[in-house]
Amino acid sequence: GAVVSQHPSWVICKSGTSVKIECRSLDFQATTMFWYRQFPKQSLMLMATSNEGSKATYEQGVEKDKFLINHASLTLSTLTVTSAHPEDSSFYICSASPQGRHEQYFGPGTRLTVT
Amino acid sequence: GQQLNQSPQSMFIQEGEDVSMNCTSSSIFNTWLWYKQDPGEGPVLLIALYKAGELTSNGRLTAQFGITRKDSFLNISASIPSDVGIYFCAGLPPNDMRFGAGTRLTVKP
Repeated sequence: GAVVSQHPSWVICKSGTSVKIECRSLDFQATTMFWYRQFPKQSLMLMATSNEGSKATYEQGVEKDKFLINHASLTLSTLTVTSAHPEDSSFYICSASPQGRHEQYFGPGTRLTVT
Repeated sequence: GQQLNQSPQSMFIQEGEDVSMNCTSSSIFNTWLWYKQDPGEGPVLLIALYKAGELTSNGRLTAQFGITRKDSFLNISASIPSDVGIYFCAGLPPNDMRFGAGTRLTVKP
């Protein structure tokens, strides 16, 4: 149980374009989903907390207009990287918490490369 | 914000050896979690601890929630090559999870 999927697993895009990443909880409902970014050999950096039916809460230093988050249902959250630049290249990982629980279950991650 | 220190940063051990890593916090946590991340994948939850003093096992893994609620350790007994990866501790103080920097484990056959 507690499986989280992400799509796509990797994507290459050109500078200036936008990329959407989906995060789904497959066997549970998640009121809250989280989006992380991870650079090589570093820990996970929380970007934003996504709550179903309301606006996401962004961490300090994360541009909300650049990283658009939508959490339209209890099983789906999306992260859209708008006007991507090479410095946005990274490993993006989502996680979800089952309703009423605090532990987070992670997706397999999406590797974004912006050329 | 809360400071979460994980040590050691890396370990190189021989197959069959036991491993111990720990995390300490500058403040009290309500929940401690231990994850393992393989290269190019998302972290996988290994053990969740909810009460001070709690000792929980998952196969060859054992983790404890410190009595002070400011620390936790993870032990791996009789390591095998597939234990290779990065282990992260995470704490919930109480709703906002923070991660340690990770312990990179290498197991030599």
